[in-house]
Amino acid sequence: SQQGEEDPQALSIQEGENATMNCSYKTSINNLQWYRQNSGRGLVHLILIRSNEREKHSGRLRVTLDTSKKSSSLLITASRAADTASYFCATSLSGGGNKLTFGTGTQLKVEL
Amino acid sequence: DADVTQTPRNRITKTGKRIMLECSQTKGHDRMYWYRQDPGLGLRLIYYSFDVKDINKGEISDGYSVSRQAQAKFSLSLESAIPNQTALYFCATSEPGLRESIQYFGAGTRLSVL
Repeated sequence: SQQGEEDPQALSIQEGENATMNCSYKTSINNLQWYRQNSGRGLVHLILIRSNEREKHSGRLRVTLDTSKKSSSLLITASRAADTASYFCATSLSGGGNKLTFGTGTQLKVEL
Repeated sequence: DADVTQTPRNRITKTGKRIMLECSQTKGHDRMYWYRQDPGLGLRLIYYSFDVKDINKGEISDGYSVSRQAQAKFSLSLESAIPNQTALYFCATSEPGLRESIQYFGAGTRLSVL
């Protein structure tokens, strides 16, 4: 079964607006990562947050992690049409080595 | 050139045929992975290898086999393809280490089994 479930499954916003997507997971983690996938292409790593971190920033990306609720959120500020893609969370489990377990993804569409 | 290269990019085959998907990398990473992606299901791990002599089953290994020919090469085989193996297949690599596990993906192979 999937470790991560993402919400919403799909999100449509206007350019310039902020986009927020959420990820929930089931078991203890070492870290949580977010990846981006353009249609039919390979995934690209965006940002990693460790289990002892609560918030992390990278450019227009802001990730939060709440280990008590087993959840994370990805905020993309001032979205652009080029941000249109699917976004996946992935968890590295405690004791799981380098393996990642991916969520089901959020499809983001940013319209002009 | 891409750091993680998958061949072929697209493949159409018939039920019962044996096919091989290949992955090669120039990142010098020890760890390699094969995933399949189906609509609405995200990525699911098929097999992974932490070095040349280490092969491990993932979540959905039935019907698949792998070969780690060298540090840089990791191949996925479907011994007798069936239609429900139609999917997008990805190879990925990562550096060793227990806590950091960023993965680098190839562009994918789109496989259709008729």
